[in-house]
Amino acid sequence: DAKTTQPPSMDCAEGRAANLPCNHSTISGNEYVYWYRQIHSQGPQYIIHGLKNNETNEMASLIITEDRKSSTLILPHATLRDTAVYYCIVRPNSGNTPLVFGKGTRLSVIA
Amino acid sequence: EPEVTQTPSHQVTQMGQEVILRCVPISNHLYFYWYRQILGQKVEFLVSFYNNEISEKSEIFDDQFSVERPDGSNFTLKIRSTKLEDSAMYFCASTSGGGGRTGELFFGEGSRLTVL
Repeated sequence: DAKTTQPPSMDCAEGRAANLPCNHSTISGNEYVYWYRQIHSQGPQYIIHGLKNNETNEMASLIITEDRKSSTLILPHATLRDTAVYYCIVRPNSGNTPLVFGKGTRLSVIA
Repeated sequence: EPEVTQTPSHQVTQMGQEVILRCVPISNHLYFYWYRQILGQKVEFLVSFYNNEISEKSEIFDDQFSVERPDGSNFTLKIRSTKLEDSAMYFCASTSGGGGRTGELFFGEGSRLTVL
């Protein structure tokens, strides 16, 4: 079972920042926080991951609280193409450990 | 950018028939996965594969399912005798398991299986 809790849905105005929260209060010391998204019925797409420091890449920023029990994915300027289901997953940083998907947050970006 | 490719994109079959779904992972990747997603439901892990053997499998992956990497490039999922409840989108994924983006799984676009 997924070890994370996310709101089922969120709306965001186009051009505004989308802030997607995730709770992972039982995260272990060796587990990373991963974010993926799934646009319509396409294959899940990697966004970003981190251990304890905040991370930023060309797609998003990841803010992890100091106690690592929660995190926030930030899409700085949401576009209509960012409408998708966003999954927060905790997982050891090992190539062999499968990702376990929860239900995620359905983000709707509105014009 | 390298990508995981899957064939067929859509297959319709009769209940009880055998189905083989094919995947070509990214060439230097070492770990391979199959997931499925029943319409409207979450993405579910089926099986992981490394070093020519199954590493881990879920309860869904029963004796009707098998995986194979027959020629060093293709990675296949076989369903021996399909049931109506096998209708789903099946996703293949691969990862290198090391390097800068360790743990990033690359997913294919999926194969939609419809069992009638």
